[in-house]
This record gives sequence, C-alpha cells and structure tokens, in this order.
Amino acid sequence: DGGITQSPKYLFRKEGQNVTLSCEQNLNHDAMYWYRQDPGQGLRLIYYSQIVNDFQKGDIAEGYSVSREKKESFPLTVTSAQKNPTAFYLCASSMGMGNTEAFFGQGTRLTVV
Amino acid sequence: AQTVTQSQPEMSVQEAETVTLSCTYDTSENNYYLFWYKQPPSRQMILVIRQEAYKQQNATENRFSVNFQKAAKSFSLKISDSQLGDTAMYFCAHRTTSGTYKYIFGTGTRLKVLA
Repeated sequence: DGGITQSPKYLFRKEGQNVTLSCEQNLNHDAMYWYRQDPGQGLRLIYYSQIVNDFQKGDIAEGYSVSREKKESFPLTVTSAQKNPTAFYLCASSMGMGNTEAFFGQGTRLTVV
Repeated sequence: AQTVTQSQPEMSVQEAETVTLSCTYDTSENNYYLFWYKQPPSRQMILVIRQEAYKQQNATENRFSVNFQKAAKSFSLKISDSQLGDTAMYFCAHRTTSGTYKYIFGTGTRLKVLA
C-alpha cells in the first residue's frame, strides 16, 4: 500500500542532543513537508521541498535542518539550537502541481528532557 | 504572505444536528486551493473536502459541505447529521497555485459531538 511512514512514533532525547526524524513516502510525490503541531497553534511549516536536492525554509525553520537526497525521503534533524523542541511532528507529501491534497504520516511525538 | 484564521477554538454539537466551522484566509492571488482536514484522537490527518477558488460551486462530500465566499475570503465547513465519529480537530488549509506548493494551516477547531 502506498503511503507515508514516519518513524519512530515516540522519541525521547536529552537536552542538547541532535535528533533525526525519519519520513519516507512511496507515493511518487515530488513535494514533501515538515510541520510542527503544538496545542492551540495548529500546524506550522518548518521546511518543504518541491524537488530532490532542493528545499525551502518555512515559518519556523530556526533550529531545524533537512535534506532531500532521494525523492522518497525527507529527514528532519532537530538540533540543539531549537529552544523548545518538544512537540508533535508531522511529515506530509503531495504531487505538487494541481488541486491535490497533502497526504500525512502518522506523526512523531518528540520529548526532550 | 498567506494566512488562515479559525476563530472558534472549540465547538460542540448534539448528535444528528448540524454544525458550521468557520475559516477565513488572506491571499493576494486570484486562484488557489482550500482544504478542510480532520484530525481524530489518533492524530492521523484526513482530508475532508477541497475547493478550487475559480470554481463558484460549493464542494460537497456526503454530509460535509462548504460555503465558499471568495470576495469575503471565507471558507466555512458544514457538517450535517453529526455523528460521534466526527469528534476531532478540524483544520482549514490554503495552498497557492503560484509554484510554491506549501499548505498553510489554521490553528484548528476542536469539535465534540455529544450523544
């Protein structure tokens, strides 16, 4: 079945450590996205990529980094520079052009202690 | 920059009744796409309905319909015959057609359907 897989579902890290969240899709989608979800703030865009080897900052990119070396994969690294990293992270993908919706993974809950 | 506003943080409705969730947005473009997503307690995001701005006819999907008012930049979601399974967070989203395929979301409305 086609879809988006995020792993792990729950992640715990100590403060000051970098951590990488995985996102893989087999939908052959060109565009991929990372969102952060906090209570009362909806989904805020961290980074997005419209094509392999290219990505753009979203509204809250500080303290995060991404790569897009393969069409299927768009990993997100939460660095120690992110001041408040504990949150629910959602990865999404879309075909890009046209009236197409974004498809979402099941999310990763990151807790930094 | 595009923005999406959902002014109702929480709402409740009796089972079998009708409820309307509000969404307004700001854009300088003439054509764009609008979406409503549902996020149940499982936190999986599910597309409910979509609308293309150049289409004047309001989109409908079974019990879900929208009231799209382009001039007012309003995109409300009506849920008819509410069911307990409709209990969820609902997010309104906007996407441009200008070549950046990013989706901008509102802050969400938490809907609770009461038995």
